[in-house]
Amino acid sequence: EIVLTQSPATLSLSPGERATLSCRASQSINNFLAWYQQRPGQAPRLLIYDASNRATGIPARFSGSGSGTDFTLTISSLEPEDFAVYYCQQRSNWPPVFGQGTKLEIK
Amino acid sequence: EVQLVEAGGGLVQPGGSLRLSCAASGFTFSTYWMHWVRQAPGKGLEWVSRINSDGSSTSYADSVKGRFTISRDNAENTLYLQMNSLRDEDTAVYYCGRDFPMVRGVIVDWGQGTLVTVSS
Repeated sequence: EIVLTQSPATLSLSPGERATLSCRASQSINNFLAWYQQRPGQAPRLLIYDASNRATGIPARFSGSGSGTDFTLTISSLEPEDFAVYYCQQRSNWPPVFGQGTKLEIK
Repeated sequence: EVQLVEAGGGLVQPGGSLRLSCAASGFTFSTYWMHWVRQAPGKGLEWVSRINSDGSSTSYADSVKGRFTISRDNAENTLYLQMNSLRDEDTAVYYCGRDFPMVRGVIVDWGQGTLVTVSS
């Protein structure tokens, strides 16, 4: 089973700053990586699929990059509503494993 | 608008059973794969199971294989998760999700979740 490791576990930033979240796979997953956002008390929301494609309705400040084993989610300028937990997920092999999450908190 | 509404959660003793349901609307349910994903209190997301559009193919996480059964009723636009031999570690919020067409394994829409608590 593929393991996804997200870093850092917690990221403390201020509104307006740039956020860079990482996800590393234990083996190559090509570009079959998705990113989800989960705000407190809410269900997850799909942000990015296949490494770099924004889902419908996702603001342009969210971008994804990477391939193989190393992936990055970048939020160019943080809005107050962006402070949440972010999960990566691979779909290269079954089961579709999630990373352990990165909590983005207000500094 | 896509809507997924889970129901059936609650308190159950270890070894007991529970059946979750997920009522779908706003899309042609019978043409989409569907998933169950769970989240233990304060923990991350864990994929549980998926079913293809006509119900002929299913897949499970090792942690639930042999105890949980996913099914669907396309006439009633409803997804199910039958959970047997429940354990303490099955305590979680259970989400149903709609698979993303052409991007198998990505969950594009999520329900609000239903809480299952396994405790004596």
